[in-house]
Amino acid sequence: EAQVTQNPRYLITVTGKKLTVTCSQNMNHEYMSWYRQDPGLGLRQIYYSMNVEVTDKGDVPEGYKVSRKEKRNFPLILESPSPNQTSLYFCASSATGTDHYEQYFGPGTRLTVT
Amino acid sequence: GDSVTQMEGPVTLSEEAFLTINCTYTATGYPSLFWYVQYPGEGLQLLLKATKADDKGSNKGFEATYRKETTSFHLEKGSVQVSDSAVYFCAHDRGSTLGRLYFGRGTQLTVWP
Repeated sequence: EAQVTQNPRYLITVTGKKLTVTCSQNMNHEYMSWYRQDPGLGLRQIYYSMNVEVTDKGDVPEGYKVSRKEKRNFPLILESPSPNQTSLYFCASSATGTDHYEQYFGPGTRLTVT
Repeated sequence: GDSVTQMEGPVTLSEEAFLTINCTYTATGYPSLFWYVQYPGEGLQLLLKATKADDKGSNKGFEATYRKETTSFHLEKGSVQVSDSAVYFCAHDRGSTLGRLYFGRGTQLTVWP
């Protein structure tokens, strides 16, 4: 089954404690992306990756890091989480090079930073 | 710059009512247009899309027509069901095949029996 998986689904942590949210896709997609979803603000892109070792900032990259060492994985790293990073996070992937691609989303990770 | 503007929510309807959710976009290229739906507790999933002017996307009774002259892609459904309750997002790709999408803020739809 084609899917994007994220772990963990729920996480409560404290300010300053480093954490990683994993994302993996099994569709051999080149493009992967992280979004955060906040009430009234919709989806905002954090970082994206066009392919292995190619990453770039989205609209709200501050306080986040990513890496793309393998095509299937795209972890999101919060080196020193703060309460304003409490949010719902989505990973997504898609193929590139076609005008009929579909972006596939993971189920989301709800993060609370106290 | 590139953006998507959606009708403010929430939208509350009775079952079998007609639904319209407005969406307009600005883009520098010739974008493909999308509607994504997010059911409670889930990630987004593609509802329908249109890749060029005058195309109509349709799925599950929902329709949207790509109107280049008004830069719009309004979502419609003739008779909504309780199971349509979800958040709906309009998006475009700025005419690029590189994968990035630009989303609107989302519109919460609640349908009552």
